[in-house]
Amino acid sequence: GAGVSQSPSNKVTEKGKDVELRCDPISGHTALYWYRQSLGQGLEFLIYFQGNSAPDKSGLPSDRFSAERTGGSVSTLTIQRTQQEDSAVYLCASRKGQSTDTQYFGPGTRLTVL
Amino acid sequence: GESVGLHLPTLSVQEGDNSIINCAYSNSASDYFIWYKQESGKGPQFIIDIRSNMDKRQGQRVTVLLNKTVKHLSLQIAATQPGDSAVYFCAESWASKIIFGSGTRLSIRP
Repeated sequence: GAGVSQSPSNKVTEKGKDVELRCDPISGHTALYWYRQSLGQGLEFLIYFQGNSAPDKSGLPSDRFSAERTGGSVSTLTIQRTQQEDSAVYLCASRKGQSTDTQYFGPGTRLTVL
Repeated sequence: GESVGLHLPTLSVQEGDNSIINCAYSNSASDYFIWYKQESGKGPQFIIDIRSNMDKRQGQRVTVLLNKTVKHLSLQIAATQPGDSAVYFCAESWASKIIFGSGTRLSIRP
């Protein structure tokens, strides 16, 4: 694909359940970011992967949130024991690798926790 | 923590007029700044960027101004068109980390 893809596009879950959100970055992009966007709000940084380096997890709001990036490509964001306040759009972005390369965003996954 | 904020949460302009969207940042270590446009139901889209060693950069109908003295960033859109209606975010970057502001909604009056 030409762009960043995310799946599912929408996810409705019950409070207390675990969810996994997937991001497929642009091929060859070594940097991958996860953000959370609540309704009418800005983008909240969650986690950043760069190549084989240890990820920057400084934005993860609690230990219920975790992310992996396998093989330097696909990334999965996992939220355990979901809470209603986790409801938001989760956005993934990738970029080629240099700190000033353009960051390309996926369409996001809208998560609704009932 | 560090944050990026915007002076105006909403902006309404007449079609054809110029738009100016402002942004304040707080991290003096930020060395790269980006403006994004986000349309409803879509992810943010890159508009223009500027490095900290510059104070102005122009693109097609857009100009970004950077004032490091007061930690201020602005986006100017010339001859605003209906297709410019969106939420605009500024973002600052340091050590490859990118932090976004809360956004300004730009609406166009016919």
